[in-house]
Amino acid sequence: DVKVTQSSRYLVKRTGEKVFLECVQDMDHENMFWYRQDPGLGLRLIYFSYDVKMKEKGDIPEGYSVSREKKERFSLILESASTNQTSMYLCASSLFQGRNQPQHFGDGTRLSIL
Amino acid sequence: AQTVTQSQPEMSVQEAETVTLSCTYDTSESDYYLFWYKQPPSRQMILVIRQEAYKQQNATENRFSVNFQKAAKSFSLKISDSQLGDAAMYFCAYRSAFGNQFYFGTGTSLTVIP
Repeated sequence: DVKVTQSSRYLVKRTGEKVFLECVQDMDHENMFWYRQDPGLGLRLIYFSYDVKMKEKGDIPEGYSVSREKKERFSLILESASTNQTSMYLCASSLFQGRNQPQHFGDGTRLSIL
Repeated sequence: AQTVTQSQPEMSVQEAETVTLSCTYDTSESDYYLFWYKQPPSRQMILVIRQEAYKQQNATENRFSVNFQKAAKSFSLKISDSQLGDAAMYFCAYRSAFGNQFYFGTGTSLTVIP
């Protein structure tokens, strides 16, 4: 069974801090994704990666960056956290081949920026 | 970008009854994949059911089935014999046959009344 692990379930940070959210998957998936989930807005894609060191912007990349140095790990970075980045962050992974393959999600990180 | 619309922010159903959640999508592609995901409160998002656009037969997984109307671009989820454990947020998602990105609706919150 695929396991996607996010480093923290809950995180509280202060404005201006640099914040790292880590995600690790154990199924050798090529694709990894970072979403932000807000009530009434659903899931919005921040960034995704289809290979090591490769990344593509999603719908809301502003204020975020990502890093993928190893295939199993995909990090989301808030360069200078702001209160409007308070949200639930979901990491997901999927196979590159086989378009009918679903995404597998982590438990999410609820991030509060004070 | 493809658009996925879930027009019912909230739904409720009596235990043991049947409920249908609606989803429509906008695409010019002919080959794609559709998914329903379930997110229980404070728990991980999991796949409920998937449908390949090239298949005419509607997908079924135990008590969950879909009504896929390709011409109408509609993909509804039917839950039969509803159980308390079905209470969750349900998301409809679209994936192109030619890309890695998933597009999600804004979700429907389902309440199951004992």
